[in-house]
Formats: sequence, C-alpha cells, structure tokens
Amino acid sequence: QVLLVQSGAEVKKPGASVKISCEASGYTFTNYAMHWVRQAPGQGLEWMGWINIGDDNTKYSQKFQGRVTITKDTSASTAYMELSSLRSEDTAVYFCARGTTLAAAAPIHWGQGTLVTVSS
Amino acid sequence: QSALTQPPSASGSPGQSVTISCSGTSSDVGASNFVSWYQQHPGKAPKLMIYEVIKRPSGVPDRFSGSKSGNTASLTVSGLQAEDEADYYCYSYAGSNTVLFGGGTKLTVL
Repeated sequence: QVLLVQSGAEVKKPGASVKISCEASGYTFTNYAMHWVRQAPGQGLEWMGWINIGDDNTKYSQKFQGRVTITKDTSASTAYMELSSLRSEDTAVYFCARGTTLAAAAPIHWGQGTLVTVSS
Repeated sequence: QSALTQPPSASGSPGQSVTISCSGTSSDVGASNFVSWYQQHPGKAPKLMIYEVIKRPSGVPDRFSGSKSGNTASLTVSGLQAEDEADYYCYSYAGSNTVLFGGGTKLTVL
C-alpha cells in the first residue's frame, strides 16, 4: 500500500532553515508528484508547493516563493521540503501528500506530518 | 491568492443533513472541475472525501456528496453521524499549477 513516512519533529531558531523529508513506498515514485501542505496550530491547511517527480517541475505558492524549495531524490524515493528564514509564524505541522502529474488533482495519500517549532 | 471562503462552523443533529459552502472566484472554483473536499479529525492527516466536484473515493460513504454552482462549491453530509464531527476543507485548482484550500469549517454533531 502507499506509504509516506516523514522525518521527525524539529525545533529551530528564527532565521534558520529546516529541511523535511518524505520517504515514499508502495508505488512507482517517479510516476507521481508530491504536494507540501502546512497547518499552524489551531489553523487551516495551507498549500505550499508541488513537485512533479518525473520531470522535476515545481510550483510554489506565491506566499512562500523565495523561501521554499522542494526537491527529490529518486534513488531514495524521497521528497524534501526546505523552508528558510524561519520565523515564529512558521511553527506548524508540515505534511507531504502524493499527487498526480496533474497539479490540480487532489492528493489522496498523506504523510503523518512533521511538527516544526520556531522559537528563540 | 487568498484562501477560499468557508463558514467557520456548521452543526446538525444526528440523522439530519448539513451543507458546507466554499466560495471562490472565477479564477479558481468557478474555473475548475478540480474542486475537492477533505475531512480532518484532530491530530490526524486530512482524508479526501470528494474530488472533481462530485466524485467519491472508494470507501467514502454515499452520505457525502458534492456540488458546484458558479464560484461556489458545496459539501452535503446527509444522515449525520457522530463520527462526521470534524473539520472540513475545500480545495480547488487555481491555475498555473497552484491550488488553494478553504479556511475550514468545524462541523459539530449536536
């Protein structure tokens, strides 16, 4: 079955960067895409960006443009999301979610989430 | 790009029906058949309930249905059950390989 396993919780200081991994199994990694979504405490879901694994095409939300980088390592069936210049408002649970090569299609399979806490 | 607009809360008694709206623009909800709905219980990852406006993934009860008119999409939950109490989020393609979520609606089963 499709499984997305994310890296563990992180605590970062303001101004630092964080890189979260999402290891995929149970399907052909290169045939799909990966979305990244975050959820601040008590808040709603927020789309950050998307990578089409097969052709490395990426697209980021305007809100995060310049601060977020989504990459992949096909040999490890793993996608990564790096967020830089962290501030307290970036404290959130970050999810990866398997999409299709069509960015519009809603992802069905989600990782368990990774809590990132930004605090001095 | 602003989040899609949802009512913050909705409620209904067991057995009743409730409808949650999701208001967007002619650039997202109004322009796309890729409108979906997620259910999220506390501390859990979102679960896809409706995709492409009206379709249900395998395993989702037919008590859940979706629709769209103009720039507004709707999720209807019929025959409310206690386990339906959760947060619900709409999701829409917004063009140029970007997507938007709604602000979320907390559904309470009275």
